[in-house]
Amino acid sequence: KQEVTQIPAALSVPEGENLVLNCSFTDSAIYNLQWFRQDPGKGLTSLLLIQSSQREQTSGRLNASLDKSSGRSTLYIAASQPGDSATYLCALDMGGGETSGSRLTFGEGTQLTVNP
Amino acid sequence: DAGITQSPRHKVTETGTPVTLRCHQTENHRYMYWYRQDPGHGLRLIHYSYGVKDTDKGEVSDGYSVSRSKTEDFLLTLESATSSQTSVYFCAITPHRQGEAFFGQGTRLTVV
Repeated sequence: KQEVTQIPAALSVPEGENLVLNCSFTDSAIYNLQWFRQDPGKGLTSLLLIQSSQREQTSGRLNASLDKSSGRSTLYIAASQPGDSATYLCALDMGGGETSGSRLTFGEGTQLTVNP
Repeated sequence: DAGITQSPRHKVTETGTPVTLRCHQTENHRYMYWYRQDPGHGLRLIHYSYGVKDTDKGEVSDGYSVSRSKTEDFLLTLESATSSQTSVYFCAITPHRQGEAFFGQGTRLTVV
């Protein structure tokens, strides 16, 4: 069974700092990995999707990398801002056939606070 | 927001009563999912659908049933609610079989 771990559970940084969030997984036979952001009391917002054949994806100040062999993904946030404060979740899709869809296994998230 | 609407957004119900949560999408995507989110467990898959009348179980399906009679609606039913089903429920869709997932705003359910 795939297990996903996100460490640390919480992180507090001053505004402007570059930071890295970690996601590790036990089964490297993944199809893709997705990073989400969740604000308190809200739904999940998709940030980046990395296919298993890719090494990284970038969107604005965000860069996500994937190393399947070591079972790790990182989300790099450059020049952090107070508006980046949220919980960040990683989720893995193990793939499957037409009747499998994209069933995700989630980590518990890292709660990020960026202080002004 | 991928056109996903969950209703109700909040509900308080009594133990033993039936409850139905609705997920509505406007884009006619084939794949829809129900997850629950709990402290200490993260999000876990309850049931999913790969087409009209085509559904299957996820990791935590006991005590839940689903129905999908038309493409745009995916219903989650708690036949007899228990306190352990107090949770936040999220509906999701994927426009493609394996691809980016988009989530609704969630339904906070409290069973007293």
